[in-house]
Amino acid sequence: DTGVSQNPRHKITKRGQNVTFRCDPISEHNRLYWYRQTLGQGPEFLTYFQNEAQLEKSRLLSDRFSAERPKGSFSTLEIQRTEQGDSAMYLCASSLVGQGGNQPQHFGDGTRLSIL
Amino acid sequence: AQKITQTQPGMFVQEKEAVTLDCTYDTSDPSYGLFWYKQPSSGEMIFLIYQGSYDQQNATEGRYSLNFQKARKSANLVISASQLGDSAMYFCAMREGWAGGSYIPTFGRGTSLIVHP
Repeated sequence: DTGVSQNPRHKITKRGQNVTFRCDPISEHNRLYWYRQTLGQGPEFLTYFQNEAQLEKSRLLSDRFSAERPKGSFSTLEIQRTEQGDSAMYLCASSLVGQGGNQPQHFGDGTRLSIL
Repeated sequence: AQKITQTQPGMFVQEKEAVTLDCTYDTSDPSYGLFWYKQPSSGEMIFLIYQGSYDQQNATEGRYSLNFQKARKSANLVISASQLGDSAMYFCAMREGWAGGSYIPTFGRGTSLIVHP
């Protein structure tokens, strides 16, 4: 299966610790997105890359959050000095650049972060 | 104002019956796309169907069809012949302004669908 892969699936950590998540997109997809999803809500956009360039960041992405996609392939999302409010599912998605906006996003299974 | 509104927090349907999940949207951009995704309890988001603002016909994909009423700004998902495996959260999403280069979709809060045997 060559879908979007996210690691780890679950992460439990103490408040104040740093965490890093990894996303491997579908290989031919040049766009990669990070979302956060809390219980009872739809995914909220955090940031996205086209190839290695980070093109847009949400206001939700505080300075404790940083994302990279160094070679335009996999991406990492790091949260520093985690807080209780960071507990959520972090979803990664990838898509092609297409004509118009009709390219669907393909999502990974997500990383569930729990802050103790 | 909410860009995507899904007014049904939960829906129940009998197996083999059809069900309609509501979605209304708010945009002033003439160029937009509407998507539906399914999220089972396992967590992955699965793309179901897409409708572009300039598409003349309603989109269909197997048992899924999108009832697109542009003047009413609604994009309801119709699932025909429901199956037990259709039980999941369903999210409507809109990507607007793609003609200007924005590719960030906005998601609704979702509708939980439970299919009864």
